Amino acid sequence: AQSVTQLDSQVPVFEEAPVELRCNYSSSVSVYLFWYVQYPNQGLQLLLKYLSGSTLVKGINGFEAEFNKSQTSFHLRKPSVHISDTAEYFCAVSDDDKIIFGKGTRLHILP
Amino acid sequence: NAGVTQTPKFRILKIGQSMTLQCTQDMNHNYMYWYRQDPGMGLKLIYYSVGAGITDKGEVPNGYNVSRSTTEDFPLRLELAAPSQTSVYFCASSRGGRYYGYTFGSGTRLTVV
Repeated sequence: AQSVTQLDSQVPVFEEAPVELRCNYSSSVSVYLFWYVQYPNQGLQLLLKYLSGSTLVKGINGFEAEFNKSQTSFHLRKPSVHISDTAEYFCAVSDDDKIIFGKGTRLHILP
Repeated sequence: NAGVTQTPKFRILKIGQSMTLQCTQDMNHNYMYWYRQDPGMGLKLIYYSVGAGITDKGEVPNGYNVSRSTTEDFPLRLELAAPSQTSVYFCASSRGGRYYGYTFGSGTRLTVV
């Protein structure tokens, strides 16, 4: 079965600074990866997904992620964060007909 | 479009009581899912369905039941509520399981006392 590991449970970062949220996936022949965001007291929203092709995937709200097959990683990045990016971020991987989620990384934006 | 609608938003149950969490989607998605979210644990799959009349167990199905009589509806039933079922429950739907992302409902916060 597929799995993902989010390496940080919480990440504090100053406003307007860059951020990277780390995710590693279990190795597989083919893998489909996702990042979701959950704002306080809301459901999850899809940020971006990697199915195939270019290893750099751009998503909504200025986020992007890079698929690295040799390191089995799919890290999420943003060059300059805003207070509105305060949320929990989930890395996820397809496993047959369902998606398996990581435990989440809480992004704290410091003023 | 309403997307995925979950009701109720909040509920307090006593131990041993039963209830049904409702989930409806208006996107004609074949795939539907129930997850529970506990602090620091991410989302755990309870049950899922790839079409009307078809359901399958996920990672944590014990204590829950589901049915899928229509494409639109995927209710989750708790028969004998236990404190361990205190959680936030999310329903989601998808055009297909592997390649497509999910559309999530806004969740049901359930407390069992």
